Amino acid sequence: AQTVTQSQPEMSVQEAETVTLSCTYDTSESNYYLFWYKQPPSRQMILVIRQEAYKQQNATENRFSVNFQKAAKSFSLKISDSQLGDTAMYFCAYGTGNQFYFGTGTSLTVIP
Amino acid sequence: NAGVMQNPRHLVRRRGQEARLRCSPMKGHSHVYWYRQLPEEGLKFMVYLQKENIIDESGMPKERFSAEFPKEGPSILRIQQVVRGDSAAYFCASSPGTKVYQPQHFGDGTRLSIL
Repeated sequence: AQTVTQSQPEMSVQEAETVTLSCTYDTSESNYYLFWYKQPPSRQMILVIRQEAYKQQNATENRFSVNFQKAAKSFSLKISDSQLGDTAMYFCAYGTGNQFYFGTGTSLTVIP
Repeated sequence: NAGVMQNPRHLVRRRGQEARLRCSPMKGHSHVYWYRQLPEEGLKFMVYLQKENIIDESGMPKERFSAEFPKEGPSILRIQQVVRGDSAAYFCASSPGTKVYQPQHFGDGTRLSIL
């Protein structure tokens, strides 16, 4: 069974600092994708970044980057130069076939 | 290009009533997914539809819940005889195809409250 685990329910970071959110997953599939979604207080679900499992190079989107360790089934999100607008719930998601599996989320608060 | 549109944003129902949630996918997207988010939890997959077909409903409760995606018009998630436990945020997502690399784009959700 595919499962996604986010072991940090809550985190905080000072504005302009760097923070890393962890995510691990369990799968027997070889072809899959991994995603981080952001859910701000408005409760929209916003795609932050995605990673193809067959690519060794870590994905990067501006201040957001991932550390993808396929053997360890780990997919952490690093947010650099944290901004107040980064305050949100962050969900790690695993996608294969036609289903996505979401973790329970990490609530990130950026402190001014 | 409009995103995924869900309506209503908020829906209040009394126990025993019916709730109808609507989702219009992004232009060019023919695949629709419904998720439920209970308070303090992540999203749980409910059902995956293509036009006029239910592809995977493994996450749908066996009773009272149904979904459709007609040839014309939005996808509908229907909950009959609602109970307090149905209170949740219901998200719809769409994608252009079934390739695993294609991310799902989410609507803003419908918050269902049961009195």
